[in-house]
Parts: sequence; structure tokens; C-alpha cells
Amino acid sequence: AQKITQTQPGMFVQEKEAVTLDCTYDTSDQSYGLFWYKQPSSGEMIFLIYQGSYDEQNATEGRYSLNFQKARKSANLVISASQLGDSAMYFCAMWLNNNDMRFGAGTRLTVKP
Amino acid sequence: DADVTQTPRNRITKTGKRIMLECSQTKGHDRMYWYRQDPGLGLRLIYYSFDVKDINKGEISDGYSVSRQAQAKFSLSLESAIPNQTALYFCATSARTGPQHFGDGTRLSIL
Repeated sequence: AQKITQTQPGMFVQEKEAVTLDCTYDTSDQSYGLFWYKQPSSGEMIFLIYQGSYDEQNATEGRYSLNFQKARKSANLVISASQLGDSAMYFCAMWLNNNDMRFGAGTRLTVKP
Repeated sequence: DADVTQTPRNRITKTGKRIMLECSQTKGHDRMYWYRQDPGLGLRLIYYSFDVKDINKGEISDGYSVSRQAQAKFSLSLESAIPNQTALYFCATSARTGPQHFGDGTRLSIL
């Protein structure tokens, strides 16, 4: 079954510290893409970072990095130097060869001052 | 102006009514998508279109239909709305490769 799992419904982090949001996936496809999106309380979906299944290096975008472990089928998001504005829901998503897109249930991150 | 515009932003309607949600984009992308978001379930794909003549069902297409009127326009219809279709609906666009870009969402309540 094609599935994305985010096991942390909620996470807390102290401002300026790093935090890792977990994401595991299940697919038999060899070619797929992994995305992370941020959804603030205002509701919009903001693209953060992308990792292709054939990319050998972990993706990075500013304070965001994706810890891609293909053998373990995990694609964890690391946010460095957390800011209060990072408080939001975070969704991991997978794009499959059959043109299906699957999202995880999300992790609510709260950054504490 | 937003690259992906959804109208309306909010809608309250009654069971049995026909509803149309509209999406337009200025990004020049060929690919467009409709999702619904329910609490605790993340987003689920309803329909997607890779060009004007290409429409495909997603994970949860039952009870919905779509129309791709032009490269820039993709509408979602609920022919006879039911309460369990109450949700937040998102339109998204993408190029052939790369991330999907989302509209701000339409909050739909069916009484």
C-alpha cells in the first residue's frame, strides 16, 4: 500500500533549537518524490523542500533540511534555529509514479519562547 | 495577486445543493489538482488534470466531478452536496516536475 506516516501528532521545541519531524513512507515504486509543506494557522499550504528518490544528496533549503534514508524509507524534516513563526502544521507528502499524491496526517509544531 | 486563486473562500450550503468551487492560476502550469483536507487526515487527492483534455480520478473522487475549462482554470463540482463533504478544499498546480503550489483554500460547510 502507498502510505505516508507521521507518527508525531504534536511537537514542542524551544526557540533557537533544532527540531526533527518524522516521516516514513511505504511504496514499491522505484521513482517517487517526497515533499514537506507547512500550514500556518491561516490555512495556506507552503512548499518547503523536495527530495527525489534518485537524489543522492539530502535536500536543503535555508533552515530546512531533509534527512533522506532510502533503505529505511524515511524522509525526516530538520528545522534548525527554530523561530516563533515556525509554529504550524507540517505535512510530509509523496508523489508516486502513478501520478498519485499522498499526504501524511501532519505534525503540529509549537515553538516556545 | 495570488498565483493560485480559489473562489469562494468560504461557503455554507444545504444538503442536496449543487456546489461549484473554482480555481484559476497565473503560473502557466499544465497540471492542476483538487484536494480535500479533513482534521487528522491530512490532504487527500480528489481529481487531477495534466492538460485540458486529461482528467484523472484521485484517491477519493466519488461524489465529485471536475471540469478543466482552460489551462488556467479547473473547477470542482459537488452535484448533490452531503454533510460529510464538509471540509477544507485546496486547488494546486505544478509543472511537470517540481512541487505543487496551493491556493488559499475554500472552507465548505454543508448543513
